[in-house]
Amino acid sequence: DVKVTQSSRYLVKRTGEKVFLECVQDMDHENMFWYRQDPGLGLRLIYFSYDVKMKEKGDIPEGYSVSREKKERFSLILESASTNQTSMYLCASRQGIPYEQYFGPGTRLTVT
Amino acid sequence: AQKVTQAQTEISVVEKEDVTLDCVYETRDTTYYLFWYKQPPSGELVFLIRRNSFDEQNEISGRYSWNFQKSTSSFNFTITASQVVDSAVYFCALSPIYNQGGKLIFGQGTELSVKP
Repeated sequence: DVKVTQSSRYLVKRTGEKVFLECVQDMDHENMFWYRQDPGLGLRLIYFSYDVKMKEKGDIPEGYSVSREKKERFSLILESASTNQTSMYLCASRQGIPYEQYFGPGTRLTVT
Repeated sequence: AQKVTQAQTEISVVEKEDVTLDCVYETRDTTYYLFWYKQPPSGELVFLIRRNSFDEQNEISGRYSWNFQKSTSSFNFTITASQVVDSAVYFCALSPIYNQGGKLIFGQGTELSVKP
């Protein structure tokens, strides 16, 4: 079974803090993704990575950056957290196009 | 433009009823994939099915079935004899293969509530 894990289920941070969300997959997948999910807006792609050290902007990259130093790990970084970044963050991985994405359990981030 | 529309925001049924979740998509691509995911209250999206644009055969898996009609750009999902455990948000998604890196374009989701 594919396993995608995220470092925290719930996280509370203060405005201006630097926040790291970690995602690890154990299936040697090439592609990894970060989404945020908000009520009424569905899932929106923040960043994705085709391979180690490669990254591409998604639909809403502003205020975020990513890092992929190892194939199994994809980190999402909020350089200076703001209240409008309070959301559910979902990580996913995929073997490659056109295969399905497998999702982690999500991190519910609250920025106060 | 690529778009997925799930017009039903919420559906409520009583256990053992059949229920169909609608999904309509827009794409100019001739090659694409369609997906359904389930998101139970725990939050994790669970993959249910993948279908490519060249395969219009209906699919059945236990109580789940999917009807893909290219002529109407629809990929509907039916749950037969619904159960309380089917309560979740269901997402339909489109993946254009040659554009945008095969990323998933999600619909807004349909929240299904199955009452005992």
